[in-house]
Amino acid sequence: GAVVSQHPSRVICKSGTSVKIECRSLDFQATTMFWYRQFPKKSLMLMATSNEGSKATYEQGVEKDKFLINHASLTLSTLTVTSAHPEDSSFYICSAESTSGGSSYEQYFGPGTRLTVT
Amino acid sequence: KQEVTQIPAALSVPEGENLVLNCSFTDSAIYNLQWFRQDPGKGLTSLLLIQSSQREQTSGRLNASLDKSSGRSTLYIAASQPGDSATYLCAVKEGNLIFGKGTKLSVKP
Repeated sequence: GAVVSQHPSRVICKSGTSVKIECRSLDFQATTMFWYRQFPKKSLMLMATSNEGSKATYEQGVEKDKFLINHASLTLSTLTVTSAHPEDSSFYICSAESTSGGSSYEQYFGPGTRLTVT
Repeated sequence: KQEVTQIPAALSVPEGENLVLNCSFTDSAIYNLQWFRQDPGKGLTSLLLIQSSQREQTSGRLNASLDKSSGRSTLYIAASQPGDSATYLCAVKEGNLIFGKGTKLSVKP
């Protein structure tokens, strides 16, 4: 099956610094990638949809200037948490959409990144 | 607004038992429905994807059904094993994937 990787898997940073998380589709091209945030005992929350070569589409309530998304190629999207604060501590998961096989539009998820801001 | 509900929130069964996880959604205008597995601190593993035109999908001991008109899906796990212990997430695709909160399954040896 299709594989999506994320790097780093865990990161601890100090308040006020910025952190970049990479999401890569390893064996397929993804014109669309998604960034989610997961809170304990809650549904995954879609933060933004990233399309290769264009600006990301952010969900309501997600700060564009705080969560910078870049989708520079068909296999790489990055999420940068700028001026991180403790409340940004969370589990961030990316996914990439594969359209192989016609109209399946199946999403493949990365292993997630645990961000802790101290 | 689409809402996805999963019942029960948690389930504990002895090894070997067959079990059913339930998922319901409020808007039947979906492209597909996916079942995922998530282990603690890990990402999501896709288990089964059912297109809106399909009624069920099977993979090994897993069988997922979809009744779009009633807004329901079930995930059937046969002969459960301790290794099946995880959180199972249901998600429906409209433009985006809308997730339920999951069912935490524990299979006791």
